[in-house]
Amino acid sequence: DGGITQSPKYLFRKEGQNVTLSCEQNLNHDAMYWYRQDPGQGLRLIYYSQIVNDFQKGDIAEGYSVSREKKESFPLTVTSAQKNPTAFYLCASSSGRRREAFFGQGTRLTVV
Amino acid sequence: EDQVTQSPEALRLQEGESSSLNCSYTVSGLRGLFWYRQDPGKGPEFLFTLYSAGEEKEKERLKATLTKKESFLHITAPKPEDSATYLCAAPNSGNTPLVFGKGTRLSVIA
Repeated sequence: DGGITQSPKYLFRKEGQNVTLSCEQNLNHDAMYWYRQDPGQGLRLIYYSQIVNDFQKGDIAEGYSVSREKKESFPLTVTSAQKNPTAFYLCASSSGRRREAFFGQGTRLTVV
Repeated sequence: EDQVTQSPEALRLQEGESSSLNCSYTVSGLRGLFWYRQDPGKGPEFLFTLYSAGEEKEKERLKATLTKKESFLHITAPKPEDSATYLCAAPNSGNTPLVFGKGTRLSVIA
């Protein structure tokens, strides 16, 4: 089945640690996105990539980093510079022709 | 300044009580208005895309409509399983990612 797989579903991070969230898609989509969702805030864009080896900052990129070495994969690293990382993180992808984005099931990150 | 605004924030309906959710947008040169459903703890599920004023799309008890400044998601005779958060989104401009509204949290009570 085609889709977007995020892992892990739950992640706990200690203060000062970097953690990496995985996102893989087998939809052959060119574009991939990372959004953050907080209660009452809606979805906010962290980073996006429209082609391999290229990516752009979204509205809240500070404290995050990404890479796009393969079309299928777009991992997100939450660095220790992100002061409030506890949130629900959503990865999405879309094709170049059709604009609708399809989402993974999310990763809930908690700082302990 | 919000580009996509949804109202109400929350809506509680009795089973069978029809209603509408609103999404207003300020992006210029609209290149699609997108509706999603999100269940708690899950990723958003794509419902509809509307591209031009006057366009309508339906799926089961849901119908989405679009005018030049806003979109409505009409829910006819809702059931408890329609309870979810409904999100609308639009691209800011050109080939940019979707900008989402904050959603309407719908509760349908049996």
